[in-house]
Parts: sequence; structure tokens; C-alpha cells
Amino acid sequence: DIQMTQSPSSLSASIGDRIIITCRASQSVTRYLNWYQQKPGKAPKLLIYSTSSLQSGVPSRFSGSGSGTDFTLTLSSLQPEDFATYYCQQSYSSPYTFGQGTKLDIK
Amino acid sequence: QVQLQESGPGLVKPSQTLSLTCTVSGDSISRSGYYWSWLRQYPGRGLEWLAYISYAGSTSYSPSLKNRLTVSVDTSKNRFSLQLSSVTAADTAMYYCARLETSGWYKVFDCWGQGTLVSVSS
Repeated sequence: DIQMTQSPSSLSASIGDRIIITCRASQSVTRYLNWYQQKPGKAPKLLIYSTSSLQSGVPSRFSGSGSGTDFTLTLSSLQPEDFATYYCQQSYSSPYTFGQGTKLDIK
Repeated sequence: QVQLQESGPGLVKPSQTLSLTCTVSGDSISRSGYYWSWLRQYPGRGLEWLAYISYAGSTSYSPSLKNRLTVSVDTSKNRFSLQLSSVTAADTAMYYCARLETSGWYKVFDCWGQGTLVSVSS
């Protein structure tokens, strides 16, 4: 199985901050890397697919980059609704695996 | 807009079989390019993909659970199902159904059900 490791595991930030979450795969996943946002009591929501493609309806302050084994999710200017847990997920090979999550909360 | 809804018992006894159904509305489960998936999430975060099935019945299972998992599809009722046998407390989790959209350059879980909490306890 491909192991996905996110850092940091948790992060405190303020409204308007720019934050970066990283995701590392144990082997290359080329660009088959997706990002999800999950709020308490809700299902995960797709944010970014194929490393850098923004899902319809997702604000442009979210962006993704990377390739191979190293990827980043950037939020350019945090808004109150962005405080949530974020997961990366590889869909390069089955079983499709997720990172352990990064919890973003308000400083 | 497609919606998915899980249903099934919230409590299962150890060694028994967990059975869940996901009903799809707003779209046909028979559309090509989609696989219908099951995932679960343990208390405290960890997300785990379990299996998927196509409308034609093509399946893929997580190797770690393959011996205990069965997924099936009922296109006439626009729904798909999961059975997990010989459950233990370690199978206690929130179970989600989701649509896996595929193309030549991406595969994504683009629509999710709200989830159903399943506890394994005597």
C-alpha cells in the first residue's frame, strides 16, 4: 500500500493568514493526488483533484501543487469557514489511501 | 444534483455480518465513468477506502479486508450494498458511501453520503 503522510498534524492560524499543508507519498503517485476538507459531523468534501485542479464551486484561495511524492495544499487568505480538517488522498493505485489529516483551527 | 444516502443498522454484534445500503438519487447508477464506493472513518480521523463496484458488477476490494467484504449493486433500485462479515470492535466506525469519478487523468471521490455510524458491541 502507498502510505500518505501529512504535515503538520495540526495548525493554528488567524483569519487572513496564508497556510501550507504538505503531503508526502511513500512512492510516486505521479499527479493522482486529491485534497478533501472535512468539517465536524460532515462527510469529506472534494477540494482539489489531480494535484491542482479546483473542484467546481471551491474558492480560488485554495490551490494545490506538486508531483511524484511531494504535494502541497495552499490557502492564500484564511476565511472563517476554512477552519476544518484537510486530507490528502492518492488515487494512483488501489488501495486508495488517505493521509492522517491536518486539523486547522483558529489561533 | 446527485445525492447518496446510507442505511442500515447502527449496532452489530461481534462475529455477525454488517450490512449497509447506499441509495443514489439525482442520477443513474448506470452512468459510465463512475464507480460506487464504500469508505469508513475511525473515531479520531483515519479514513480508509474499502471497496468499489461498477454498475456492471466489476469490483475492487481493499486487500486487508478482501476476505470479509462483499459489495453488490442493484441497478433497478439505483443502489449498492456492502457486507462485512465476522465483525469485531475494530470495525466500529463511520461508514460512508461515495461516488468515484474516473477519467484518464484522475480518480476522485466527488460525492459522499452523510455517513452512518456503526458500532460493534454485544
